[in-house]
Amino acid sequence: KAGVTQTPRYLIKTRGQQVTLSCSPISGHRSVSWYQQTPGQGLQFLFEYFSETQRNKGNFPGRFSGRQFSNSRSEMNVSTLELGDSALYLCASRNPDLLQETQYFGPGTRLLVL
Amino acid sequence: QQPVQSPQAVILREGEDAVINCSSSKALYSVHWYRQKHGEAPVFLMILLKGGEQKGHEKISASFNEKKQQSSLYLTASQLSYSGTYFCGTEGGANNLFFGTGTRLTVIP
Repeated sequence: KAGVTQTPRYLIKTRGQQVTLSCSPISGHRSVSWYQQTPGQGLQFLFEYFSETQRNKGNFPGRFSGRQFSNSRSEMNVSTLELGDSALYLCASRNPDLLQETQYFGPGTRLLVL
Repeated sequence: QQPVQSPQAVILREGEDAVINCSSSKALYSVHWYRQKHGEAPVFLMILLKGGEQKGHEKISASFNEKKQQSSLYLTASQLSYSGTYFCGTEGGANNLFFGTGTRLTVIP
């Protein structure tokens, strides 16, 4: 079974621009969560999508948004980029129908904002 | 809702043991442990469910105290391959995980 894939792997943007990141979950996983990882802050939860609906949301400004498509693929968008948005963005997929099931992470997209 | 991990960092010699703690201020349904090596994605180690048993994976095991909302990860006879940052993820029943800031473990020869 293929793992979680994320594209692109690396991205350089300038302040004020917007960016879209993509995540393809493991086949059969309908839940996709997004995290921001920065040194010292650990993994900060952004949001979770399940069956094309945002089910949970972390404490991030409205510049961070996402969506999920019918095939469970998900995108995350950040508008009006700020220097502090530089981070590793990880997505994780999960099959919530299974007990004792955890999340599986993709390799991440490393975003650098200049 | 972010759990608190301790210690923040630890250095071990090969063969030594370590304990990493994770505590939450909220009632927990499950605790998930991950290890992340530099430049890689977090890799799942084990999950502990409310009412479940202590888990083990080779020389790495974990416990979950539901009443105290705490979990501990035990690494015995550490190996160089154990080096990395360990994260606990806590779930309070809302189908999403909140992660601690991580514990950086370094095993030296």
